[in-house]
Amino acid sequence: AQKITQTQPGMFVQEKEAVTLDCTYDTSDPSYGLFWYKQPSSGEMIFLIYQGSYDQQNATEGRYSLNFQKARKSANLVISASQLGDSAMYFCAISPTGFQKLVFGTGTRLLVSP
Amino acid sequence: SQTIHQWPATLVQPVGSPLSLECTVEGTSNPNLYWYRQAAGRGLQLLFYSVGIGQISSEVPQNLSASRPQDRQFILSSKKLLLSDSGFYLCAWSGTGAPTDTQYFGPGTRLTVL
Repeated sequence: AQKITQTQPGMFVQEKEAVTLDCTYDTSDPSYGLFWYKQPSSGEMIFLIYQGSYDQQNATEGRYSLNFQKARKSANLVISASQLGDSAMYFCAISPTGFQKLVFGTGTRLLVSP
Repeated sequence: SQTIHQWPATLVQPVGSPLSLECTVEGTSNPNLYWYRQAAGRGLQLLFYSVGIGQISSEVPQNLSASRPQDRQFILSSKKLLLSDSGFYLCAWSGTGAPTDTQYFGPGTRLTVL
């Protein structure tokens, strides 16, 4: 079975600073995908970034980057130059091989202060 | 571009009443479709997924059912709601079911059962 662990229930960061949100995973599948989603107070899940298990380089999308350490089974999200609009819940998820689903962690609430 | 719609946005229903939530996708053909539920303060749990018209797979046995009467329409139903059915229901679509394929979510339906 696959599992995602997000150990930080809440994180605080000041505007313009960088922040790292932790995610560790457990899977026995050789091939899998790792995803980060943002959920603002409106509730919609917004896709941020994807990392494939065989990708050699860490994924980046604008201010978002994924610090992927396969041996440690971690896929931390780094947000650079935080903005007030980044305040939201952030979920890490894994998509295992052969399964039509995402397995989500419990999320981290990020609060960006002025 | 692809868009995904859900309605209603909010619903308050008495225990024992029926339920019908609708999800439609525009701008793509033969998508994989998913229903997730998010309990308060929790991550998402996959309820159903569909790879084609009339093809439904259930992840969690429960009081709910799903149907896919058209290629881009996915419906979540219940004959008799329970208090435990309260939550935030999210529909998602993807191009395929591969681990590398991103799932994109709709705006969600917030259901309160009283």
